[in-house]
Amino acid sequence: ILNVEQSPQSLHVQEGDSTNFTCSFPSSNFYALHWYRWETAKSPEALFVMTLNGDEKKKGRISATLNTKEGYSYLYIKGSQPEDSATYLCALGRVYNNDMRFGAGTRLTVKP
Amino acid sequence: NAGVTQTPKFRVLKTGQSMTLLCAQDMNHEYMYWYRQDPGMGLRLIHYSVGEGTTAKGEVPDGYNVSRLKKQNFLLGLESAAPSQTSVYFCASRTRDSEAFFGQGTRLTVV
Repeated sequence: ILNVEQSPQSLHVQEGDSTNFTCSFPSSNFYALHWYRWETAKSPEALFVMTLNGDEKKKGRISATLNTKEGYSYLYIKGSQPEDSATYLCALGRVYNNDMRFGAGTRLTVKP
Repeated sequence: NAGVTQTPKFRVLKTGQSMTLLCAQDMNHEYMYWYRQDPGMGLRLIHYSVGEGTTAKGEVPDGYNVSRLKKQNFLLGLESAAPSQTSVYFCASRTRDSEAFFGQGTRLTVV
């Protein structure tokens, strides 16, 4: 069974707070780890695709790290804003299967 | 550049009816995916394809069939719809090393 786990399930923070979430995945047959941002009534949009152990990527106030040996990735948001409110999804791409399986997501709510 | 387009956007079916959802992409992507979204469960993979003429089962394939006769199109079929298939369906496409691009979703209700 391939399980991509995300924690926490939901998170409520105040505007200006920094926050982070976790994505855990089985490390065998690893190819890539994706992060997506998903706003209500819209389609998921890509934030990062990471492939190398130790990868760190940054886009504005959002950054992500990857540890393929222990099977986890962190997503960080610095100085959260109300417009950051969304569900954040991670997805695992594997070497031989080429499938792409998602975690259940972390729902972030940023209160003004 | 249209990206990924799903047809239809909404549909109501009666139990036992059949239908086909169409996903079309104009980015020349090799990989295409069908997911269903259910509350609290994120996106669950139904079937996927890594190239024209190929398909593979995902996490929840039962009750669905797929075909990829042309590289740009990936069809999802429901032969005999059941209320448990009420969901929002998303199609996505990508190359092996790129992020995935999603369609706008199809909201299906089976009554």
